[in-house]
Amino acid sequence: DGGITQSPKYLFRKEGQNVTLSCEQNLNHDAMYWYRQDPGQGLRLIYYSQIVNDFQKGDIAEGYSVSREKKESFPLTVTSAQKNPTAFYLCASSMGDRNQPQHFGDGTRLSIL
Amino acid sequence: GQQVMQIPQYQHVQEGEDFTTYCNSSTTLSNIQWYKQRPGGHPVFLIQLVKSGEVKKQKRLTFQFGEAKKNSSLHITATQTTDVGTYFCAGPGTTDSWGKLQFGAGTQVVVTP
Repeated sequence: DGGITQSPKYLFRKEGQNVTLSCEQNLNHDAMYWYRQDPGQGLRLIYYSQIVNDFQKGDIAEGYSVSREKKESFPLTVTSAQKNPTAFYLCASSMGDRNQPQHFGDGTRLSIL
Repeated sequence: GQQVMQIPQYQHVQEGEDFTTYCNSSTTLSNIQWYKQRPGGHPVFLIQLVKSGEVKKQKRLTFQFGEAKKNSSLHITATQTTDVGTYFCAGPGTTDSWGKLQFGAGTQVVVTP
């Protein structure tokens, strides 16, 4: 089945630690996105990538970093500079055209130890 | 920048009742998309509206795009417990935003049996 796989489902971070969230898609989509969702809130865009080896900052990129070395993969690193990382992180992909819907993974819940 | 606003933020509904949630954009949209997120789950694409005044139905759900393409509504008839979740509307950003979507904060729907 085609889809988006995020791992791990739950992640705990210690103070001063960087952690990386995985996102893999086999939908052959060009575009990929990372969102942060806080309880009772909407989706805020962290980073997005239109094509391999290219990515752009979203609305809340500070304290995060990404890479796009393969079309299928778009990992997100939450760095120690992100002082409030506890949230639900969602990865999405789309065909890339501005009229195309986005397909989401199951998400990763990140908490601070 | 562009803003997408949804009202109400919360909607408590008795099973069998109807309700409507509204989405308003500060700018004209080329299309509007609706997503549903079940509790603990991820957003799932429901529908896309493109034409001015367009109305689409999915069983008990009726989606409408305003004539000015700046607002949209979702009407659910005879609400069931399966309708529980948060409903998001989303529109493309401004012309330079390519593939990105601006999500509203969502309407969280609670159904009382």
